[in-house]
Amino acid sequence: QVQLVESGGGVVQPGRSLRLSCAASGFTFSSYGMQWVRQAPGKGLEWVAVITNDGNNKHYDNSVKGRFTISRDNSRNTLYLQMNSLRVEDTAVYYCAKYGGDGCSWGQGTLVTVSS
Amino acid sequence: QAVVTQEPSLTVSPGGTVTLTCGSSTGAVTSGHYPYWFQQKPGQAPRTLIYDTNNKHSWTPARFSGSLLGGKAALSLSGAQPEDEADYYCLLSYSSEYWVFGGGTKLTVL
Repeated sequence: QVQLVESGGGVVQPGRSLRLSCAASGFTFSSYGMQWVRQAPGKGLEWVAVITNDGNNKHYDNSVKGRFTISRDNSRNTLYLQMNSLRVEDTAVYYCAKYGGDGCSWGQGTLVTVSS
Repeated sequence: QAVVTQEPSLTVSPGGTVTLTCGSSTGAVTSGHYPYWFQQKPGQAPRTLIYDTNNKHSWTPARFSGSLLGGKAALSLSGAQPEDEADYYCLLSYSSEYWVFGGGTKLTVL
């Protein structure tokens, strides 16, 4: 079955960087687009970024454009989110999600806390 | 960027029927927005109930269904159960270039 496992979260100071990973298994990773979604404490879901199956097309929410970079390594079945110039308001649980014609599956999330 | 709107809260009686809606500031929601519906319970990751307007996952209870209704995406629940009490979010795609979540609906079964 589809399994998505996020890692890389933690506590980081404002202005610093962090890279999240999402290890995928149970499906043909290179055939699916992938997304990052986040949820600030006590708030709703917020879409962050999307990448096509081949990695050639990427799109971002305006709130992270220019600071975050989504990428993938299809040989390693892994999705990444490079987060630079982090802000306090980036504090959230970050989820990766597989999407496509057969639905959408989620990981369990990794918590990123941006605090001085 | 588009704004996606949902009812902030709804209440349904056990065994009752309720419809949650998902509208877009850009106009009518169509199948081209590939509407998704997610359920999230406290402390848990979201779970997909509906994708591409009305398709169900294998784990989606039969009492949930998705549709387009009056220019909005809709999630209907027929025969509500106590375990359906949760937050529900819709997600719309805009030309596959960006996606927007609704603010969520807190559903109470009471």
